[in-house]
Amino acid sequence: GDQVEQSPSALSLHEGTGSALRCNFTTTMRAVQWFRKNSRGSLINLFYLASGTKENGRLKSAFDSKERYSTLHIRDAQLEDSGTYFCAAEASNYQLIWGSGTKLIIKP
Amino acid sequence: DAGVTQTPRHEVAEKGQTIILKCEPVSGHNDLFWYRQTKIQGLELLSYFRSKSLMEDGGAFKDRFKAEMLNSSFSTLKIQPTEPKDSAVYLCASSLAGENTLYFGAGTRLSVL
Repeated sequence: GDQVEQSPSALSLHEGTGSALRCNFTTTMRAVQWFRKNSRGSLINLFYLASGTKENGRLKSAFDSKERYSTLHIRDAQLEDSGTYFCAAEASNYQLIWGSGTKLIIKP
Repeated sequence: DAGVTQTPRHEVAEKGQTIILKCEPVSGHNDLFWYRQTKIQGLELLSYFRSKSLMEDGGAFKDRFKAEMLNSSFSTLKIQPTEPKDSAVYLCASSLAGENTLYFGAGTRLSVL
C-alpha cells in the first residue's frame, strides 16, 4: 500500500540552530499536512500544502508531488519547539497516510 | 501486525441521528486518542484514554460527543444528536504509554445532511 517514510525519527538541536524534517512518499499524493503534537495530546496543524512552499515564522514547508517528498524546516529553534512532529499525506482517494513522527528536542 | 482499525470508513447521517464510530487500537498499546479533522481547524482532540481510563475529554466536545473504552482493544465514539457541522474525518490513534509515536487509523469520513 501507499507509504510515508518520515525522517529522522529523533532530532536534538541547540537553541538558535535549525534543521529539516522530511517525508518521502511511495506514490503521488494530493497534499501534505504537518502537525506538532502538544503536551495535551492535541495535534496542532502547522501547514497544509497542495504544492509549493509555505512559511510561517521560523517554520517553512515544501511539497513536491512529482518528486514525492515534503520537508519541514525549522530555523532559530526555541525551547518551545520541542515536541513530536508528524507529516500526513493525502492520497488520491483522500485517505490520510501518516508518517511515524519525529521527536524533536531543543537544548539550551 | 494489525495497525489501528476504524469502522466504518464512511458514514452518512441525517441531522439528529445517533452514530457510533468504532476503533481497535494496536494490540498492546495503552493510549488511545480520538481526533476530529477539518481543513479549517486541523486536528482537534476529542478524547484521550490511558489504560481504558479517560484522561482528556476535549472540553468543547462534551455536549454531544461521548467516547468509551470498555476493554483495551476496542473503543467507540458516539455522536448524539448529529449536526451538519459534525461533518469531518474522525481519526483514532494509539500508542504505547508515554511514547510519542502515534499510530493512526485510516479514519471515518462522516457526512451529516
